[in-house]
Amino acid sequence: SQQGEEDPQALSIQEGENATMNCSYKTSINNLQWYRQNSGRGLVHLILIRSNEREKHSGRLRVTLDTSKKSSSLLITASRAADTASYFCATEGGSGYSTLTFGKGTMLLVSP
Amino acid sequence: NAGVTQTPKFRVLKTGQSMTLLCAQDMNHEYMYWYRQDPGMGLRLIHYSVGEGTTAKGEVPDGYNVSRLKKQNFLLGLESAAPSQTSVYFCASSLPAGAWVYNEQFFGPGTRLTVL
Repeated sequence: SQQGEEDPQALSIQEGENATMNCSYKTSINNLQWYRQNSGRGLVHLILIRSNEREKHSGRLRVTLDTSKKSSSLLITASRAADTASYFCATEGGSGYSTLTFGKGTMLLVSP
Repeated sequence: NAGVTQTPKFRVLKTGQSMTLLCAQDMNHEYMYWYRQDPGMGLRLIHYSVGEGTTAKGEVPDGYNVSRLKKQNFLLGLESAAPSQTSVYFCASSLPAGAWVYNEQFFGPGTRLTVL
């Protein structure tokens, strides 16, 4: 079963605007990761946030995690056309090692 | 470094035929994974391996078998292909996880499989 659910399913913005994607999950997690997938390509890891962290930054990316609400958000600031892609959250949960469970993704379109 | 490579890139099978998808990684990763991606479904884990000679079932293992005879290779087999196995298949690899040690997964470019 899918653990993470992204919202919205699709997002269309203009270059220079910020893009925010949300992810909700159902059970406790060890960490949450965000991946990007360009059309017809494999996934590329963007950022990982641990369950004891609340916010993390990497370049134009900002990720927040609220374990009490079982949700995370990915903010891409000053979007570029090259950011056009699908974005997936993935959760790793349980005790000890656990595999990643991916959500269905948000498709982001950034228009010039 | 090539990273994670997958062979073949495309394949068309007839129902009942068999085939093997090959995944290779040159990053000396212990863990390897096979996923399938269907429209609107995200990625679903088929099988994974935490080391040479070991494999485990994921979320959707039925109809597939895997083998990890060498650390750098992870094979996914379809013994008798069905139209429901039409999908894009992705292989991934990662370093080992541990207590408070979490690692990203590195993905291959995918294999697009159509079963008629």
